[in-house]
Parts: sequence; structure tokens; C-alpha cells
Amino acid sequence: GAVVSQHPSWVICKSGTSVKIECRSLDFQATTMFWYRQFPKQSLMLMATSNEGSKATYEQGVEKDKFLINHASLTLSTLTVTSAHPEDSSFYICSARVGTTEAFFGQGTRLTVV
Amino acid sequence: GQNIDQPTEMTATEGAIVQINCTYQTSGFNGLFWYQQHAGEAPTFLSYNVLDGLEEKGRFSSFLSRSKGYSYLLLKELQMKDSASYLCAVMDSNYQLIWGAGTKLIIKP
Repeated sequence: GAVVSQHPSWVICKSGTSVKIECRSLDFQATTMFWYRQFPKQSLMLMATSNEGSKATYEQGVEKDKFLINHASLTLSTLTVTSAHPEDSSFYICSARVGTTEAFFGQGTRLTVV
Repeated sequence: GQNIDQPTEMTATEGAIVQINCTYQTSGFNGLFWYQQHAGEAPTFLSYNVLDGLEEKGRFSSFLSRSKGYSYLLLKELQMKDSASYLCAVMDSNYQLIWGAGTKLIIKP
């Protein structure tokens, strides 16, 4: 199956700093990638849909100036959490869809803001 | 609004069979997915149903009834490693995945 690589797997940062998370499709081209956030014991919450070469589409309630998404190529999308605060601590997951039948997920990034 | 319902938690015994139900109400339908998610890990794809009926894949089977807005995931010959959360997701008319909250499955020896 298609492989999606997400990096880093976990990161600890100080409050007020920025963190960049990368999501790469290794063996296919992904015109669309999705960024999710998941709090403990809760389901995945879609944050934004990232389209190659265009601006991301953010879900209602997600601050686009705080969660910067860049989809510069068909194999790479990045999520930057700017001026991170403890409440941003969460599990962030990217996924890429191949056609309309499956979504392949990255390994996820555990962000802890201290 | 769009809604996916599945039980919060289920408990089953090793070697037994368990059925996890999912009901949905969405704007359009382009398929239903089941994912397995172990704690601290990303979801992994289990099955996809777009037509009514049963899809069997090894120990796991998934059933869909579009008229009833209903699906279930059937796990046979349960193993301890099957302890995980099982997420039901429906792709709506805009090809967006709508996620259920997940069912935590606890397997006891």
C-alpha cells in the first residue's frame, strides 16, 4: 500500500515557540493531504485540507494564522504550529488519499508544549 | 448535521467473536471505512464498503446497509493484539471523511 511518512514522531517545545511537522507521501503523488488533531480518548478532528500549489482549506474554528499549512509539492505538506501554547499539546496526524477509496495515514506527531 | 454513532467501549474474550456497530447520518455517501488505532499510534486501514453486503478479509469482516445507515465490523478468533480503538468513518458527498468517536475494544484472556 501507499506509504505516508510523518516527522517528527514526537516533539517537546517551549511555550511561544513554533514547531514544524512534515508529511511526505513516499511512493505516490498526493494532490490532497489532510491534517488532523486528536486529543486523548477523542476521535480525529479534521483541521484542514491541503492542496498542492494552493491555499489550504481550514475547518471552522481552526486558526489559519496559528496553524500554517504549506503543500509545496506533490509529495510534501507541512504544518507549522506557531507560538505554541500548552493547549496545543495534542496528537497531530496527516493523511493522504489515493483516489477516493482509502486514506493513508502518517505515523502521527505527539506535540507537548511546556 | 452529520453524525456517526458507535459504542464507546466493548469488552470481549480472547478467541471469541465481537461485533462493533456503526450508524451514520451524513450528507451523501461515498463509502464507509473502518480503521484500527492502537494507543499512541495513527489509524490503520481495515476495510472499505460502498455497496450493501458483507466484505470478508481474514478474521475481520465488515457489513453495510445503506438503506439503514448501518455498518458493523466483525472480529473473529479474537487475539490480545486486537485490543485497540476501532474507528468508523463515512465519506460524504464532498469526499470528506466524517469520523466516529471510536470504539475502544478490550480483550480479556
